[in-house]
Amino acid sequence: DAMVIQNPRYQVTQFGKPVTLSCSQTLNHNVMYWYQQKSSQAPKLLFHYYDKDFNNEADTPDNFQSRRPNTSFCFLDIRSPGLGDAAMYLCATSRWDISGYTFGSGTRLTVV
Amino acid sequence: LAKTTQPISMDSYEGQEVNITCSHNNIATNDYITWYQQFPSQGPRFIIQGYKTKVTNEVASLFIPADRKSSTLSLPRVSLSDTAVYYCLVGDKAAGNKLTFGGGTRVLVKP
Repeated sequence: DAMVIQNPRYQVTQFGKPVTLSCSQTLNHNVMYWYQQKSSQAPKLLFHYYDKDFNNEADTPDNFQSRRPNTSFCFLDIRSPGLGDAAMYLCATSRWDISGYTFGSGTRLTVV
Repeated sequence: LAKTTQPISMDSYEGQEVNITCSHNNIATNDYITWYQQFPSQGPRFIIQGYKTKVTNEVASLFIPADRKSSTLSLPRVSLSDTAVYYCLVGDKAAGNKLTFGGGTRVLVKP
């Protein structure tokens, strides 16, 4: 089945140690998104790629970066994780001409 | 992007119909209304989408009045497994498909 896959499901990292979360898709969707979701809160958009064009949300901290080497893969890099970055990170995809996202299962990040 | 307002939580019992109303007073002409369901520790899942009047699929119905300033998601005969958070989102298909999540409604289905 076509899907959005996030690895790993659970990630533990040390305070200040760079960490990378990955997302892959088999849907051939041209738009990919990264959301941050903290406990009991709604998902918050960090940035998205429209094909190769990167679009950062105005309030996304510089600590968060993203790479999309090809259509299928997208990475979220947290350069120096702080305790406040502990959250579920959700990857989603969509096609430019169809509303509606397909989400991955998320990566739960713990910072120790 | 249109702002949405939903009840924070709702309780129901198995077998009952659950109706969740979402207010979106400043919805734009090109905006569609989409509902997602999210279980704990999972990504949101698309439920239903509509533009006006009524849309029905195998999971839910979506009622949108003529002025489109609100919408109601209807879940028929809920079961315990329908306990989840339900999000109403409003957005333009063409606007880079950038959807902003509002607060969501936490639905608890009791036995």
